[in-house]
Amino acid sequence: GDSVTQMEGPVTLSEEAFLTINCTYTATGYPSLFWYVQYPGEGLQLLLKATKADDKGSNKGFEATYRKETTSFHLEKGSVQVSDSAVYFCALGDTNAGKSTFGDGTTLTVKP
Amino acid sequence: GAVVSQHPSRVICKSGTSVKIECRSLDFQATTMFWYRQFPKKSLMLMATSNEGSKATYEQGVEKDKFLINHASLTLSTLTVTSAHPEDSSFYICSARDLGTLDGYTFGSGTRLTVV
Repeated sequence: GDSVTQMEGPVTLSEEAFLTINCTYTATGYPSLFWYVQYPGEGLQLLLKATKADDKGSNKGFEATYRKETTSFHLEKGSVQVSDSAVYFCALGDTNAGKSTFGDGTTLTVKP
Repeated sequence: GAVVSQHPSRVICKSGTSVKIECRSLDFQATTMFWYRQFPKKSLMLMATSNEGSKATYEQGVEKDKFLINHASLTLSTLTVTSAHPEDSSFYICSARDLGTLDGYTFGSGTRLTVV
């Protein structure tokens, strides 16, 4: 079945540091890939997405590229802020079935 | 973009009582919605797929009689936790997808259920 393996956390960075959160996946077919963010006490928010190989999703300074050859979708940001502190989930979506498979989440804490 | 509204955001109930959680697609129709459960410091686990006008499809290990799902209209799915126990305390989140767009799945804001 489909699965998502996400870099274990927690990750603690200083403000303006470079962020990478690794994500690899196993899936049949051609899923869409997503990164979601969950701020403390809140629900999930879509951060960015990519629907096919070599697509780059980007939002709020975050980027991730859909790499079919390495089955990866790593999240990056060049300069993190304290407000980026949250839990980040990598997920793949089965376009036909409509349900999503999530990684275990990575907690990011950015210190001033 | 598509908006999914989930209500209530927080609820505290006594053991043995039932709690209903609503999930509404506000500006699109959703023939299918999904219910997830998130345990503390864990990822989201799919509980069931809610299908408009028919029975929900439950994932293995999820008790159908405890987690009742009703999807009576194209914009509303409800999850009822029956005879709740403290171990049912969790964060429940629904999602839906607007098939008219290429966007991903939109999630509700979640419901924090605490059973005392």
